[in-house]
Amino acid sequence: DTEVTQTPKHLVMGMTNKKSLKCEQHMGHRAMYWYKQKAKKPPELMFVYSYEKLSINESVPSRFSPECPNSSLLNLHLHALQPEDSALYLCASSQVSPSDSSYNEQFFGPGTRLTVL
Amino acid sequence: GESVGLHLPTLSVQEGDNSIINCAYSNSASDYFIWYKQESGKGPQFIIDIRSNMDKRQGQRVTVLLNKTVKHLSLQIAATQPGDSAVYFCAEIPNTGFQKLVFGTGTRLLVSP
Repeated sequence: DTEVTQTPKHLVMGMTNKKSLKCEQHMGHRAMYWYKQKAKKPPELMFVYSYEKLSINESVPSRFSPECPNSSLLNLHLHALQPEDSALYLCASSQVSPSDSSYNEQFFGPGTRLTVL
Repeated sequence: GESVGLHLPTLSVQEGDNSIINCAYSNSASDYFIWYKQESGKGPQFIIDIRSNMDKRQGQRVTVLLNKTVKHLSLQIAATQPGDSAVYFCAEIPNTGFQKLVFGTGTRLLVSP
């Protein structure tokens, strides 16, 4: 299995709602990532988990709360979002080199298209 | 600060032509440069990468060239096909950590049959 899967594909939520995005991979990768991609813009890194621990938070607002319950799953919990948070949210995974000493290819899922009303 | 950008937002070619997509970067200390292809409704797909100690790398129908003197990266696609139509992003791995991928602004490649 060489896929990263994301659910749901589309999500519409109000500013007072609480929702979660899910990501799963079965490639044995121990690093997982969340990216945000606005229309016609490049993906921007939000969070990185290595060995189920948060290793990078790119100063993301607290209304986005990541969670890595095990090595195959990554969640992004959403609460009190703003309309400007509407975007494509991409999950990726990769292997991890010892001491993060080299680059490993990141494999991306198809994304969840989020609309905040 | 770090930035990776592209010269052309849209490139239109005929099927069978060779395509060249360009990218400028600003962080001369980056270790790796990568090209991704993103088709409509899909996530980015890895195409090819090049390490900073190389100036050329070839894959199947694709070649990446790195010119560190002018901080320029290019992706050459030979015999472009309609299936190559997509947005292409260059990306770099800054020397601040191998897990941080910084994407450029993207070029849309349109291939006409």
